[in-house]
Amino acid sequence: GQNIDQPTEMTATEGAIVQINCTYQTSGFNGLFWYQQHAGEAPTFLSYNVLDGLEEKGRFSSFLSRSKGYSYLLLKELQMKDSASYLCAVTGFQKLVFGTGTRLLVSP
Amino acid sequence: GAVVSQHPSWVICKSGTSVKIECRSLDFQATTMFWYRQFPKQSLMLMATSNEGSKATYEQGVEKDKFLINHASLTLSTLTVTSAHPEDSSFYICSARVGQGVGNEQFFGPGTRLTVL
Repeated sequence: GQNIDQPTEMTATEGAIVQINCTYQTSGFNGLFWYQQHAGEAPTFLSYNVLDGLEEKGRFSSFLSRSKGYSYLLLKELQMKDSASYLCAVTGFQKLVFGTGTRLLVSP
Repeated sequence: GAVVSQHPSWVICKSGTSVKIECRSLDFQATTMFWYRQFPKQSLMLMATSNEGSKATYEQGVEKDKFLINHASLTLSTLTVTSAHPEDSSFYICSARVGQGVGNEQFFGPGTRLTVL
């Protein structure tokens, strides 16, 4: 089976840095995605990691350690529009399974 | 990037009726489409995987006779909620994947909000 855990909620201040962790247990691992989802909207793609290490893309970075079953999403220079849910999703056996999601609230 | 549409974006129906939701890939051919359900403040739960021209694969606990999936072409998959009840009220989201590789990005539709009275 698959088990994916994320913190339920996080708060941060505009301009700050926040790290959202994701731990997973899965069989047939083929990579990990991070998605952003605003309320009432579909998820939008942020990043994909299949090898260990850090992937940087603008203000967002994602890290993966396959041996530890661990990933994090790092958001820098937070903006108010970054208030959203962040979903960690693991691929395995031809399908994508989502974690519980982390609601991030950015305050002024 | 690739665009996936869903129709309708929202629907209200009476208990006991059936509702059909369409998912279309607009500018690419999708061998595989996925249907998810999302309850308020919860994450996406995979309901079924739909491959063009074959039967859908349902996740454990999802009733295949209640949630009928048809993937008639490489650009269209439909989900029909039969004999809907209030507990079926949810946000239904489809996604489409280009190619067979599990690492290939999935593109999500805008979702359909179903309310059953």
